[in-house]
Amino acid sequence: AQSVTQLDSQVPVFEEAPVELRCNYSSSVSVYLFWYVQYPNQGLQLLLKYLSGSTLVESINGFEAEFNKSQTSFHLRKPSVHISDTAEYFCAVSPRRGGKLIFGQGTELSVKP
Amino acid sequence: EAGVTQSPTHLIKTRGQQATLRCSPISGHTSVYWYQQALGLGLQFLLWYDEGEERNRGNFPPRFSGRQFPNYSSELNVNALELEDSALYLCASSSNFKDTEAFFGQGTRLTVV
Repeated sequence: AQSVTQLDSQVPVFEEAPVELRCNYSSSVSVYLFWYVQYPNQGLQLLLKYLSGSTLVESINGFEAEFNKSQTSFHLRKPSVHISDTAEYFCAVSPRRGGKLIFGQGTELSVKP
Repeated sequence: EAGVTQSPTHLIKTRGQQATLRCSPISGHTSVYWYQQALGLGLQFLLWYDEGEERNRGNFPPRFSGRQFPNYSSELNVNALELEDSALYLCASSSNFKDTEAFFGQGTRLTVV
C-alpha cells in the first residue's frame, strides 16, 4: 500500500519569495511521483512528474521537484513565486503506469503582494 | 484534441435520491478513474475502470457504483444520497500503453440538500 503526506496544509508567502511545498511518501514498491495543481473551481492539472532517470524534474512555469529515494520525499520548489501561483497543490504517487493515484491532503499556497 | 469532459457541471439532489455523473475520456484512453473531493477530506479514490472492467475500488459503500461503456465513457452512480456525499467528483483518464499520467476533467459539483 502507498500513502502520501504533505507536511503543510497552508503556505502563505509574499510575491517573488522562494517557496517549498513538502511531500513525503511511503510505499513497499517503486512508485511514480506527481505534483498536480488545482486552481479555484477547476479540476487538477499535472505540474510535473518523476518516472525514472534524473531525480530533478522541472515544469514549464518555473517549478521543480527533486526525488529523494533515501528520504522518500518529493518536495516542490520555486525560487520566485507570482500571485498567479496561488492555488492548491497535490502530491501523488502511483505504483504503476496508468494505475490509480494516491494523493496527499493538499497544500494551499497563498501568494500575497 | 478534447480533454476529459464531465457532465453535468453542477448537480443538486435531495437526500435519498440517486445521482448519475458522466465522464468522457480523452480519445484513445481506456482507463477511467473516479475521485471524490469532499471538503476537509482531500482527494479520495473511488473507482477505476479499464477496458470495461472494474479494476479497483476505494473504501466507499456499495451505493457508490459505476460502469464503463464500450466507447470507454463512464458513469458514476450514487444511490440513497446522504448529505456527506456533497463533494466535487473528479474523473480522470489515462492510457496504459502510452501515457504515464492521468488527465483530469473539471469535475461535477454534487450538492445534497
